[in-house]
Amino acid sequence: GQQLNQSPQSMFIQEGEDVSMNCTSSSIFNTWLWYKQDPGEGPVLLIALYKAGELTSNGRLTAQFGITRKDSFLNISASIPSDVGIYFCAGGVSGGGADGLTFGKGTHLIIQP
Amino acid sequence: DGGITQSPKYLFRKEGQNVTLSCEQNLNHDAMYWYRQDPGQGLRLIYYSQIVNDFQKGDIAEGYSVSREKKESFPLTVTSAQKNPTAFYLCASSIDSQGSNTEAFFGQGTRLTVV
Repeated sequence: GQQLNQSPQSMFIQEGEDVSMNCTSSSIFNTWLWYKQDPGEGPVLLIALYKAGELTSNGRLTAQFGITRKDSFLNISASIPSDVGIYFCAGGVSGGGADGLTFGKGTHLIIQP
Repeated sequence: DGGITQSPKYLFRKEGQNVTLSCEQNLNHDAMYWYRQDPGQGLRLIYYSQIVNDFQKGDIAEGYSVSREKKESFPLTVTSAQKNPTAFYLCASSIDSQGSNTEAFFGQGTRLTVV
């Protein structure tokens, strides 16, 4: 099946720093989604992208749908302690994704005070 | 409130026993999914269902079974045939897996431990 390469696998940063992570694929997706998962909880949808080139913000989070439709990135500005968690990207194919989304393996964000 | 509810939050199973994990949604979503999450491995698809009374195997269906008798419910049974069942299980739903909106919403998860 389709695969997503998400990087980096983990990040150790200082509070207040900006964060950037990305996902790439060999396949085209019609949808890119970004989720955050807190320990012991289910993933929560942060941002949904539906158009190639689309740039969308949600507070301190900004995500972009790559022009080639094969990649997406997520930026977090001025990180705070509650940003700690695992961030997942997911790609969707409308009209053909009967088994749902393809997920990256996650970026584990750790913030040092 | 609309949402997707998994129960129980924690579940302990003895070896050789079958256990059933509950997943209920009141979002009126057609599609429902079960994922397994192991440390460092991301989400792996176990089973999915696009419509009532129909479901399909995902990537790691062996040792699991599901049913979809009602639109809002998609229980997962972990059978004794599953060799390594200790994991975090996530249920999700989406409006329509084949439509233009593929956003999936997750429950809070069930942590299953074999003792």
